[in-house]
Amino acid sequence: GDSVTQMEGPVTLSEEAFLTINCTYTATGYPSLFWYVQYPGEGLQLLLKATKADDKGSNKGFEATYRKETTSFHLEKGSVQVSDSAVYFCALSSSGGSYIPTFGRGTSLIVHP
Amino acid sequence: GAGVSQSPSNKVTEKGKDVELRCDPISGHTALYWYRQRLGQGLEFLIYFQGNSAPDKSGLPSDRFSAERTGESVSTLTIQRTQQEDSAVYLCASSPQSGDSDTQYFGPGTRLTVL
Repeated sequence: GDSVTQMEGPVTLSEEAFLTINCTYTATGYPSLFWYVQYPGEGLQLLLKATKADDKGSNKGFEATYRKETTSFHLEKGSVQVSDSAVYFCALSSSGGSYIPTFGRGTSLIVHP
Repeated sequence: GAGVSQSPSNKVTEKGKDVELRCDPISGHTALYWYRQRLGQGLEFLIYFQGNSAPDKSGLPSDRFSAERTGESVSTLTIQRTQQEDSAVYLCASSPQSGDSDTQYFGPGTRLTVL
């Protein structure tokens, strides 16, 4: 079945540092890939998405590129801020017929001033 | 426009009591999902509704859990005879039928504490 694996957290960075959160997936067909963010005490919200190979999703300075050859969708940001502290979830929505998305376990990001 | 809303935001109950959690999806969204998120954990799929089709209940952990949805509107998740291991945040999400159909729009969640 489909699966998403993302790096264990927490990831602790200083403000303005470079961020990478790794995400790899296993899926049948050609899934859409997502990053969702969950701020403390809130529900998840879509951060960015990519629907086909080599697409780059971007939002709020975050980027992720759909790499079919490595089945990866790593999240990056060039300069993090304290306000980016949150839990980040990688997810996929399979084209194989299931309408139930698959989520990773989440990676907590803590940014210190 | 209005997003997904859930009520109550917090619920504290005693072991053995029944609880009802409510979700109001975004108007016009045909798909509705319930998830459970235990402290520090990822999302655990519970149930999926799509329009008037039979729901996918494959994620419900036991027969103490049930959910209903009226047409394409409000959904309620009911947990009977609550246990301490039911303590978690229960998240609801909705998706449109077309266009952005693979994107989930989440509510803020209901934090359930079973004493």
